[in-house]
Amino acid sequence: KAGVTQTPRYLIKTRGQQVTLSCSPISGHRSVSWYQQTPGQGLQFLFEYFSETQRNKGNFPGRFSGRQFSNSRSEMNVSTLELGDSALYLCASSSMTAYEQYFGPGTRLTVT
Amino acid sequence: QKEVEQNSGPLSVPEGAIASLNCTYSDRGSQSFFWYRQYSGKSPELIMSIYSNGDKEDGRFTAQLNKASQYVSLLIRDSQPSDSATYLCAVVTGNQFYFGTGTSLTVIP
Repeated sequence: KAGVTQTPRYLIKTRGQQVTLSCSPISGHRSVSWYQQTPGQGLQFLFEYFSETQRNKGNFPGRFSGRQFSNSRSEMNVSTLELGDSALYLCASSSMTAYEQYFGPGTRLTVT
Repeated sequence: QKEVEQNSGPLSVPEGAIASLNCTYSDRGSQSFFWYRQYSGKSPELIMSIYSNGDKEDGRFTAQLNKASQYVSLLIRDSQPSDSATYLCAVVTGNQFYFGTGTSLTVIP
């Protein structure tokens, strides 16, 4: 089976701009979770989608949003980018909520 | 108090030795436990899952879970330089994953 794919792999944006990241889960997986990873904070949970519904949400501001499509592909959007949003954004797919998660390669976002 | 605590290390072991990585969690209701390995510049890779008390072995890896002590560990036998990475402990509580900040392991040839 193909693994989790994420696009783009690298992104440079300017403060105030918005960005959309994409994630395609493993075939047959219906759960997609998003994480932010920074050296200081480690892996921080953003949100989880299952069958197009947001199941869980982490403690991030409303500038961070996401959605999932009927084919289980997911996107996350960050509006009004801040310097502190520079991070590695990871998505993980799973066959069901709270079950084994498999990570994509991540999108490295740099905000200048 | 953090949900999941790990000693950040670094932990150094000689090649061929046993590496022992530890993790504690705060919620007694946590139901699933995972170990991920993350090489520098790469994404986390699932290496072990454990759901009930006791030991679970997979090749050179053994995960140990003690729910009474709220403790989960990972043993790596016959450590190899290729095992040098950061190991992340993950705990599922209330259907949500919580990750520790990871323990950096270096295996010295």
